Amino acid sequence: DAGITQSPRHKVTETGTPVTLRCHQTENHRYMYWYRQDPGHGLRLIHYSYGVKDTDKGEVSDGYSVSRSKTEDFLLTLESATSSQTSVYFCAISEARRDTQYFGPGTRLTVL
Amino acid sequence: SQQGEEDPQALSIQEGENATMNCSYKTSINNLQWYRQNSGRGLVHLILIRSNEREKHSGRLRVTLDTSKKSSSLLITASRAADTASYFCAICPADNYGQNFVFGPGTRLSVLP
Repeated sequence: DAGITQSPRHKVTETGTPVTLRCHQTENHRYMYWYRQDPGHGLRLIHYSYGVKDTDKGEVSDGYSVSRSKTEDFLLTLESATSSQTSVYFCAISEARRDTQYFGPGTRLTVL
Repeated sequence: SQQGEEDPQALSIQEGENATMNCSYKTSINNLQWYRQNSGRGLVHLILIRSNEREKHSGRLRVTLDTSKKSSSLLITASRAADTASYFCAICPADNYGQNFVFGPGTRLSVLP
């Protein structure tokens, strides 16, 4: 987890409320990713970024948006949280697109 | 789906035994990686093997890749209780466009003391 932090680590919220998760890195890596992890599904890519202000959708992007205004920060926003978005969210970074990914400690989100 | 599929889903062995996990995939790959996840933690990278490589070693870990069978295996020798974790394979498709690694659902390994 060195060099990557996620905040908050745990969050409980209600359906319909907006939620923002933050990923912060100190490694100056170009690529940053948001995944969600659910039982039986492994990790599924939500969005990723290949530079400041450069982002693209992943496999399960519906209901999520992202922003990257600085190299070190990648924000994931749930505009209106739903119970199906209850999950553990992981941020990852890599120097290049096909390189090893380094993961943060995760954020456990519960939407009631 | 390009998803890697690990086999078995769960594996229980005694300390000192070897553990073998397999990963199958459907697409041509650029590389394949193995990760470990301890309970409640993030994933930790173990080994990356490229499509032109057949075998790689790292300490007690050995990874093989058979691109003709679209499969990879992870062998942990002389297992320890600390190896108890979930293990994931992640494939990087060769015709990757707008997508990065695709992770399988994982193998849960329990090493009993």
